[in-house]
Amino acid sequence: GENVEQHPSTLSVQEGDSAVIKCTYSDSASNYFPWYKQELGKRPQLIIDIRSNVGEKKDQRIAVTLNKTAKHFSLHITETQPEDSAVYFCAASNTDKLIFGTGTRLQVFP
Amino acid sequence: EPEVTQTPSHQVTQMGQEVILRCVPISNHLYFYWYRQILGQKVEFLVSFYNNEISEKSEIFDDQFSVERPDGSNFTLKIRSTKLEDSAMYFCASSRLDQNTGELFFGEGSRLTVL
Repeated sequence: GENVEQHPSTLSVQEGDSAVIKCTYSDSASNYFPWYKQELGKRPQLIIDIRSNVGEKKDQRIAVTLNKTAKHFSLHITETQPEDSAVYFCAASNTDKLIFGTGTRLQVFP
Repeated sequence: EPEVTQTPSHQVTQMGQEVILRCVPISNHLYFYWYRQILGQKVEFLVSFYNNEISEKSEIFDDQFSVERPDGSNFTLKIRSTKLEDSAMYFCASSRLDQNTGELFFGEGSRLTVL
């Protein structure tokens, strides 16, 4: 089955800097790759997603890139703000379920 | 904005007891899911449900677990005889389309503590 690995597990950046989180997946049939943000004690919330027919997608300060050949995808957050501090999960899907990565705890220091 | 609602928000139970977690998915959604998250770990898929039957389940979803859609609005997860390792946050989710096409909306979660 699908296996998703995510790095780094923790990431600390200064406000205004960029943050990059990387994920790799194992199942070449996976074709949907969402990213979720989870604040402490809250539900995961979708922040951006990408499908396999697209290499890059951007939404304001957030962008995701996908390399299907290498089976990896990345989340890029530019001009980070303290409110970006949270745990970020990547996920992959090719069937009726999402397989999540292990999460990255992002801390943005003012 | 419509959202997935879950009850209870927190349940404490004794090992061996039965627990039912309840969810009300978004009204025009057709696909329903349960995920769980052990404290500090990743979100894990348990089961997906479509057209009144299980469409997929994980290894975690053994004979102690069952799901039901008893009426047109509720979607329940039952754990027949709870174990200590069942302690986790359980998230219900729904989507209008299948996972490859539609966004997944999560509820706020039900925290289960097994003593």
